[in-house]
Amino acid sequence: QVQLVQSGAEVKKPGASVKVSCRASGYTFTSYYMHWVRQAPGQGLEWMGVINPYRGGTSFAQKFQGRLTIMRDTSTSTVYMELSSLRSEDTAIYYCAKEGSDDYYYYMDVWGKGTTVTVSS
Amino acid sequence: QSALTQPPSASGSPGQSVTISCTGTSSDVGDHNYVSWYQQHPGKAPKLMIYEVNKRPSGVPDRFSGSKSGNTASLTVSGLQAEDEADYYCSSYAGNNNFDVVFGGGTKVTVL
Repeated sequence: QVQLVQSGAEVKKPGASVKVSCRASGYTFTSYYMHWVRQAPGQGLEWMGVINPYRGGTSFAQKFQGRLTIMRDTSTSTVYMELSSLRSEDTAIYYCAKEGSDDYYYYMDVWGKGTTVTVSS
Repeated sequence: QSALTQPPSASGSPGQSVTISCTGTSSDVGDHNYVSWYQQHPGKAPKLMIYEVNKRPSGVPDRFSGSKSGNTASLTVSGLQAEDEADYYCSSYAGNNNFDVVFGGGTKVTVL
């Protein structure tokens, strides 16, 4: 079955960077875009960006431009999300989520369990 | 782009129906059929319930249905059950000719 397994919780200091991994299995990794979505405590969902695992091309939400990097390793079917210059407002659960269509129809059909990132001095 | 607008809460008794609205603009919700809905129970990851306005993934009960009129999409849960109590989020193409996705603020559905 399709699974997305994310790396464990992280605690970072303000100004640091965090890198979260998402290992995919159960489908052809390079055939589906991978999204990253975050959720601050008690808040709603926020789309961060997406990667095309086949070509490696990325697209980011405006507010994360310059701070967000998404990359992939096709040999291990893993996508990585790195967020730099962390501030307290970046404390959230970070989810990877597989695009639901084999084209790009803006929806996510399988989600990882989430990785908690805490930014605190 | 601005978040889509959802009511913060909705409720119904077991067996009743509840409808959640999701209002965007003519650039996002109104421009394409790329509207989806997600259910999230406390402490869990979101789960896809509806995609492309009104399509249900396999395994999602047919009590869940989606529709759209103009700039407003809706999710209806018929025959409410206790396990339907959760947060529900709509999402859409953000309307900027890019890959961006925009979410609604979420609606807490309570089964009375």
